[in-house]
Amino acid sequence: RKEVEQDPGPFNVPEGATVAFNCTYSNSASQSFFWYRQDCRKEPKLLMSVYSSGNEDGRFTAQLNRASQYISLLIRDSKLSDSATYLCVVNTAPGAGSYQLTFGKGTKLSVIP
Amino acid sequence: DTEVTQTPKHLVMGMTNKKSLKCEQHMGHRAMYWYKQKAKKPPELMFVYSYEKLSINESVPSRFSPECPNSSLLNLHLHALQPEDSALYLCASSQDREGAGGTEQYFGPGTRLTVT
Repeated sequence: RKEVEQDPGPFNVPEGATVAFNCTYSNSASQSFFWYRQDCRKEPKLLMSVYSSGNEDGRFTAQLNRASQYISLLIRDSKLSDSATYLCVVNTAPGAGSYQLTFGKGTKLSVIP
Repeated sequence: DTEVTQTPKHLVMGMTNKKSLKCEQHMGHRAMYWYKQKAKKPPELMFVYSYEKLSINESVPSRFSPECPNSSLLNLHLHALQPEDSALYLCASSQDREGAGGTEQYFGPGTRLTVT
């Protein structure tokens, strides 16, 4: 099983749509979870950290289910500017150094006018 | 301010050249990272420095040599690279909270390297 697995893309959605991305991770001891977005030929930018209680930032909602080892990202009212690749990122080596983040392969989102 | 800067933005080098990539952050972060990213792939961790000491080397070939002169700077020295080393090289930094499960990493814009 891959360490961090994401929905295969691409997702092509119309403006205003709601879109959900899912991610699973294999290491049950993982403690930190993040969503990054990456635009074409740019660096990854932190979108949200994901907490056990779930968290919301405007149109974006992230949820974590530790029992199922599952992370989600919901984008409401999609904008053209949301078009990017969304990376699910997990700390898979806690205790061996708090720094080893593992990236999912990313899901490409295209929001269409 | 969550800015990480990298220079140069683009670099073309021959297989016999020696060059260096530079990274700088002024956020007081004590952990800094080098990643390599190929097209349509996620970033792959290369090195981690914590408190200016190398803490992780992900079995990177010796033609890549990292250096951390101080807590704000991170260099990657390149020598005798191969064409397959062409990629986007990303620097990142994070706060170092010992005992925590890891903290957010902030990435620089990257250096796009082409080896000819």
